[in-house]
Amino acid sequence: AQSVSQHNHHVILSEAASLELGCNYSYGGTVNLFWYVQYPGQHLQLLLKYFSGDPLVKGIKGFEAEFIKSKFSFNLRKPSVQWSDTAEYFCAVNTNAGKSTFGDGTTLTVKP
Amino acid sequence: GAVVSQHPSWVICKSGTSVKIECRSLDFQATTMFWYRQFPKQSLMLMATSNEGSKATYEQGVEKDKFLINHASLTLSTLTVTSAHPEDSSFYICSAPEGSGSSDTQYFGPGTRLTVL
Repeated sequence: AQSVSQHNHHVILSEAASLELGCNYSYGGTVNLFWYVQYPGQHLQLLLKYFSGDPLVKGIKGFEAEFIKSKFSFNLRKPSVQWSDTAEYFCAVNTNAGKSTFGDGTTLTVKP
Repeated sequence: GAVVSQHPSWVICKSGTSVKIECRSLDFQATTMFWYRQFPKQSLMLMATSNEGSKATYEQGVEKDKFLINHASLTLSTLTVTSAHPEDSSFYICSAPEGSGSSDTQYFGPGTRLTVL
């Protein structure tokens, strides 16, 4: 069975700082990778996804992620965070069955 | 993008009663929908896959007789928590992929907060 590990449980940054959230997965077959964001009081939204092609994926709001197959990683990055990026971030893996397995999530707090 | 709705957004019920939660895909059809449970400060845990026209498939450890799932149409799936107990209190979220492949984006409903007294 697949599993997803997010390294950071809670990250606190000041505005304009750079962000990198780690995500590693465990699955031997073909996977599709996602990052979702959950803003306070809102439902999950897709930030970006990777399923093939260029391993560097750009998403909404200036986020990007890089798929490194050899490391089973799909880390999320943003060069300069804003206060409005404060949210919960979830990495997820889909297998051929279409089911999503989520990491435990990372709470990002950006101080103004 | 596609929209998934859930109803109700929150419900409080007495122990021993049953609660039905609806999940609708508003502008697309979904032959498959997923039901998740999220505890405070924790991740989403997949409970079951709802399949239009056939039985739902449940994840290991999820009681199918307690969490009844019916995929009545291509836009509606319902989760009924039967004989609810306080330990069933949680945030229930449904999702629907816009297509049928594993690369398809999941669209999530806003969730239903269930509190069992």
